[in-house]
Amino acid sequence: EAQVTQNPRYLITVTGKKLTVTCSQNMNHEYMSWYRQDPGLGLRQIYYSMNVEVTDKGDVPEGYKVSRKEKRNFPLILESPSPNQTSLYFCASSYRGYEQYFGPGTRLTVT
Amino acid sequence: GIQVEQSPPDLILQEGANSTLRCNFSDSVNNLQWFHQNPWGQLINLFYIPSGTKQNGRLSATTVATERYSLLYISSSQTTDSGVYFCAVQGGGADGLTFGKGTHLIIQP
Repeated sequence: EAQVTQNPRYLITVTGKKLTVTCSQNMNHEYMSWYRQDPGLGLRQIYYSMNVEVTDKGDVPEGYKVSRKEKRNFPLILESPSPNQTSLYFCASSYRGYEQYFGPGTRLTVT
Repeated sequence: GIQVEQSPPDLILQEGANSTLRCNFSDSVNNLQWFHQNPWGQLINLFYIPSGTKQNGRLSATTVATERYSLLYISSSQTTDSGVYFCAVQGGGADGLTFGKGTHLIIQP
């Protein structure tokens, strides 16, 4: 089954404790991206990747890092999480930026 | 950056009704997609439609790129159509999608 998976689905952590949210897709898509969704602000792009070893900043990249070592994986790294990064995070993938397929989401709470 | 406005922000309808959701954008686009976020939070791609018209069952979409708008039509609404509908566009030299704030649709039985 074609899908985008994210782990963990739910995470509660404390300020400053480094964490990684994994994202994997099995559709051989070149394009992958991360979004955060907040009430009243909608979905905003954090980072995206056009292919392996190619990443670029989206609209809200501050406080996040990404890497694209393999085509199927695109982890999101929070080196020192802060409460304003409490949000619902989505990973997405597509073939060359066309129809985007979203993962199930990761609900992160930073206390 | 490109601006995306969706209307109406909220819509409450009875089961069986038809509806039209609108997406206006401020610049030329090379990518436009419609998504449905169900009450469980899952985002589903409905249409990739930078121009023209597409239909999928009870849903159809039309994008008039020259006039910078897109419409999503839902016919014979069902309660499972409830959720938030997002329009997202790519254009103005950007490489990522910009999302509108969405239309929150509630279908009552």
